[in-house]
Amino acid sequence: QKEVEQNSGPLSVPEGAIASLNCTYSDRGSQSFFWYRQYSGKSPELIMSIYSNGDKEDGRFTAQLNKASQYVSLLIRDSQPSDSATYLCAVNRPGGGADGLTFGKGTHLIIQP
Amino acid sequence: GAGVSQSPSNKVTEKGKDVELRCDPISGHTALYWYRQSLGQGLEFLIYFQGNSAPDKSGLPSDRFSAERTGGSVSTLTIQRTQQEDSAVYLCASSLGRGLFFGPGTRLTVL
Repeated sequence: QKEVEQNSGPLSVPEGAIASLNCTYSDRGSQSFFWYRQYSGKSPELIMSIYSNGDKEDGRFTAQLNKASQYVSLLIRDSQPSDSATYLCAVNRPGGGADGLTFGKGTHLIIQP
Repeated sequence: GAGVSQSPSNKVTEKGKDVELRCDPISGHTALYWYRQSLGQGLEFLIYFQGNSAPDKSGLPSDRFSAERTGGSVSTLTIQRTQQEDSAVYLCASSLGRGLFFGPGTRLTVL
C-alpha cells in the first residue's frame, strides 16, 4: 500500500472555478500535512500546512483534513491560469523526525482560460 | 539570499565517475534533507540530518550514495561510480520544524 496517494490527473478546471485536489495517506500516526506547488522545471514550494481536523483558509486556498478518513484536500477558489502546476501532498514520515515527509506523486492541475 | 541554495545547478558526468552535490540551507535551520526526483516521478527521500544527531540514511538507494553535513550547516551529497539510473534532479530542503523549504535543485545527467 502506497503511503501517500494522489490522482495524477491532469485535472482540468475552467478559470474562475474551484479546483479540488485530494490526497489519502496510510499511516494513522501522521500528524502534519502539507501541500506543495511545483511548476514545471522548478522545485516544490510550500503553500499550505494543516495539523488538526477541519478547514484552514489562506487567501484563495483552503486545506481540509479528516484524520478519521485519512484524507487531506486542497481547494483553490477563483482558479487562475497561474495556478496551473503539479500539487504535491506531503505527510510526515513515520519515524522520520519531527518533519520528515513522504510525498505523493502529485496532481497535475490545468486551469483553462 | 534567504533561501536554500544548491550547486551546481546542472551536472553532466560520464558513467562511473564520482560527483559531489552541495547544499547551503537557510541560516538557523536545524534539519536538512536530500530528495531526488526523476522525470515525471514523485520525490524520493534520501537522507535526513537533524542537529548533531546521527543522520537518517534509510532512503539511500545503495552504498554508492553518501552525505555529510559539516558544522551543522552545509551538506554534500556524494555519488560514487555513477550509473545512468542516477540521473535525476537532486533537491535539498531545510526546516525549522514546520514544513520543508526546498532549494532549486541540481539536475544530474549521467551519460
